[in-house]
Amino acid sequence: SYVLTQPPSVSVAPGQTARITCGGNNIGSKSVHWYQQKPGQAPVLVVYDDSDRPSGIPERFSGSNSGNTATLTISRVEAGDEADYYCQVWDSSSDRGVFGTGTKVTVL
Amino acid sequence: EVQLVQSGAEVKKPGESLKISCKGSGYSFTSYWIGWVRQMPGKGLEWMGIIYPGDSDTRYSPSFQGQVTISADKSISTAYLQWSSLKASDTAMYYCARHVMRDGVVATISYYYYYMDVWGKGTTVTVSS
Repeated sequence: SYVLTQPPSVSVAPGQTARITCGGNNIGSKSVHWYQQKPGQAPVLVVYDDSDRPSGIPERFSGSNSGNTATLTISRVEAGDEADYYCQVWDSSSDRGVFGTGTKVTVL
Repeated sequence: EVQLVQSGAEVKKPGESLKISCKGSGYSFTSYWIGWVRQMPGKGLEWMGIIYPGDSDTRYSPSFQGQVTISADKSISTAYLQWSSLKASDTAMYYCARHVMRDGVVATISYYYYYMDVWGKGTTVTVSS
């Protein structure tokens, strides 16, 4: 089955840039989607199709995908960005959704 | 406004059955796949399966196939997740999520994929003797 690997944690100072990686075999050939989950809340879609943002999501959130790594970038990080972030793809071989292991972003 | 409203928290004993619900509103319920995601305490997200309410076509993750049943009643725009015999290990938060389907062609090979654009607030299921 397809596996997505994320770093367990990323720490960043306010105003700086956070980069969260999502590793998978030839992930660049898939469409990657990213979700933000704040404590006690349901996940929220922040990036879809590698780099598109749903309406209402700040431009500070951006994504890229190439080779074996997809990346979610949060620019000008704010305290309110502190959350868990998950990448997700569709595994065509098993016809199922797959989530990454999740990354906790801490704003220092 | 597109919304998914889930049923309330449940406390059950091992061996009991359970059916939780997810009611969609603000969109054409029969035009989107809807699925379920499990989050065990302190853990990550796990994709369980989806259903297309228009024709009840259903797909399951191998990890959950045979363990749960996903169904839908399009007449009341509601999807369900049910267990016939709960285990303590089913203790978790369960989210329903609307799935957007996209398709494309790469090197003459067609493909499709899904992402989750709207989520319910979750239903906590606690199984304990």
